[in-house]
Amino acid sequence: EAGVAQSPRYKIIEKRQSVAFWCNPISGHATLYWYQQILGQGPKLLIQFQNNGVVDDSQLPKDRFSAERLKGVDSTLKIQPAKLEDSAVYLCASSPIDSLNEKLFFGSGTQLSVL
Amino acid sequence: GESVGLHLPTLSVQEGDNSIINCAYSNSASDYFIWYKQESGKGPQFIIDIRSNMDKRQGQRVTVLLNKTVKHLSLQIAATQPGDSAVYFCAENFGNEKLTFGTGTRLTIIP
Repeated sequence: EAGVAQSPRYKIIEKRQSVAFWCNPISGHATLYWYQQILGQGPKLLIQFQNNGVVDDSQLPKDRFSAERLKGVDSTLKIQPAKLEDSAVYLCASSPIDSLNEKLFFGSGTQLSVL
Repeated sequence: GESVGLHLPTLSVQEGDNSIINCAYSNSASDYFIWYKQESGKGPQFIIDIRSNMDKRQGQRVTVLLNKTVKHLSLQIAATQPGDSAVYFCAENFGNEKLTFGTGTRLTIIP
């Protein structure tokens, strides 16, 4: 079974530039999550989708971050404009409908450096 | 289990010994707990989970213990191997709300 796919693996940008990350979850998983992991910390949930609807975006900085999952499969997370403090690993995860917010399957993440 | 800083607690264990990683969680109402292993450059990988109606659960070489009285969770790894070197995170939730991850513990296996 293929795992959660993310791209790119690394991204370096200057502050105030924009950046986008892509995620393709495990086939059949209805729930998709984007987490931010700052160096030395645990992952923090940014946004959670169930199919193509948003379940929880309470911790998403909506003035600069946006995410979509238009067809209920893959998803894109965008930052515009980026700030220095956005430097982190952005992890995508997915889970089947019967294990909401339980056993999540994570991708390898995109490491973002904002200079 | 909230993230509290930039410096990970560390634990060094001799290869073949048992290791115990501890986690203090924050919400007394949490009813689901999970341990993840994260190797360098990879995403977190599921190890074992436990619900609040249990106090112990065993997997292959791993055991999770839950003490709800003192809000403490531990992960025991038997006969540690070099491949066990990683950062280990506990996470909790209540009522299928979002998982809250702890800061993590870096486990180093000494050959």
